Amino acid sequence: NAGVMQNPRHLVRRRGQEARLRCSPMKGHSHVYWYRQLPEEGLKFMVYLQKENIIDESGMPKERFSAEFPKEGPSILRIQQVVRGDSAAYFCASSPPDRRTEYFGPGTRLLVL
Amino acid sequence: DQQVKQNSPSLSVQEGRISILNCDYTNSMFDYFLWYKKYPAEGPTFLISISSIKDKNEDGRFTVFLNKSAKHLSLHIVPSQPGDSAVYFCAASEGNNRLAFGKGNQVVVIP
Repeated sequence: NAGVMQNPRHLVRRRGQEARLRCSPMKGHSHVYWYRQLPEEGLKFMVYLQKENIIDESGMPKERFSAEFPKEGPSILRIQQVVRGDSAAYFCASSPPDRRTEYFGPGTRLLVL
Repeated sequence: DQQVKQNSPSLSVQEGRISILNCDYTNSMFDYFLWYKKYPAEGPTFLISISSIKDKNEDGRFTVFLNKSAKHLSLHIVPSQPGDSAVYFCAASEGNNRLAFGKGNQVVVIP
């Protein structure tokens, strides 16, 4: 049973470009969570999604950030017009229906030049 | 508002000795607690969990203790091994709500 998959593992963007991060949850998991980890800081919750629905986006910045989890395909975290402050590690996690335990992917490290 | 707190950001311990990580929480409604381990450049890995109906859960070298009255839990690793050097995150949840994470503790096991 493959774990949570994220791609790309590393992403370099110039200021003003768009960053698109993908996450495929574990088989049988329908809940997806996105977290951000800034250098020297802990995990910061961004958004929780189920298939075709955003359940909790209380941790998402109000502008430039969006997330989706379509009926088919991976969950996408999109950052428009990236700035240097967006440089961080972005982790996706998924959970089974009981939602008691989250399983994390390897992360995408975004560097904005 | 940090509902899960991990103080003492780093811990150094000799190989073979016990590592003890502490975690405090403020929400008395939390009923499920977890520890994750994270290596640099990797995602957090689930380590061990405990339900609020228990006060201890053991899995090999890892034991988690829960003191509900003190709103405190701890992770014991014994004996510590060099491969245990990592950042450890404490997390908690209430019912089906999402996990609340602490900021993490760095553990260094000295060979």
